[in-house]
Amino acid sequence: KAGVTQTPRYLIKTRGQQVTLSCSPISGHRSVSWYQQTPGQGLQFLFEYFSETQRNKGNFPGRFSGRQFSNSRSEMNVSTLELGDSALYLCASSLEVNNEQFFGPGTRLTVL
Amino acid sequence: AQSVTQPDIHITVSEGASLELRCNYSYGATPYLFWYVQSPGQGLQLLLKYFSGDTLVQGIKGFEAEFKRSQSSFNLRKPSVHWSDAAEYFCAVAPPYNNNDMRFGAGTRLTVKP
Repeated sequence: KAGVTQTPRYLIKTRGQQVTLSCSPISGHRSVSWYQQTPGQGLQFLFEYFSETQRNKGNFPGRFSGRQFSNSRSEMNVSTLELGDSALYLCASSLEVNNEQFFGPGTRLTVL
Repeated sequence: AQSVTQPDIHITVSEGASLELRCNYSYGATPYLFWYVQSPGQGLQLLLKYFSGDTLVQGIKGFEAEFKRSQSSFNLRKPSVHWSDAAEYFCAVAPPYNNNDMRFGAGTRLTVKP
C-alpha cells in the first residue's frame, strides 16, 4: 500500500505570493492533519480534516487555510507569503480520528 | 493545553551504548503519548505509543518507553544503540479524545559515535 504522498516536494516562492500544497493520504484513510516544522518553532499543528470537515485548527493566522476533498485528498493554502513561512510542511493521515497517524515526507517551502 | 518538554537538544552516544531520551509532558489528565523518529529529509516515523494499560511500552527498532504518571514523563530507551539510530527524536502528546491534535516537543538530535 502506498504511503502518504505530498506534492511538490520542494517549492520556492517570493514574499507576497500564495502557495498551495497537496497531500494524498494512504488509500482508505479519511483523516488528514497538517503540521509546520521550522528550526525555531519546531513542529506545530496547523489543522485537521475528516470527511471534508475541518475538525481542529492550531494557532496560525487566517493566511493559512486548507480543505479536504471527497476522495480524502487535502490541500493547504498560504496566502501573502512571509519569510517566516519558510518551513517543512508535513501531512499525516489516519484511518479514522484517533487512529495512528502516518506522515508523508513533507514539502519544503522556501520564501525569498 | 497540552505541552511537551524534551530537555536535551543534542545527545551523543557511542555505538553499542545504552540510550535514554527524556520527555516530560503537561496535561490535565492522562494523554496519549508518542515517540517519533525523523531522519534527515524524511517525514516522521512512529516508534511507539502509549494510550493506557501497561506503562512499559515496546516499539519498533528495539526501542521502549516507560510512562510515569507521578513524574509526568515518558522517556525513551534503547539498550544498545546502532549507528543507524542517528536521527532526530520527537516526543508528542495528544488529548485522549483526539490523537490527531498532536503537540510535539522540540526534539532531541542523536549522534552516534563509532
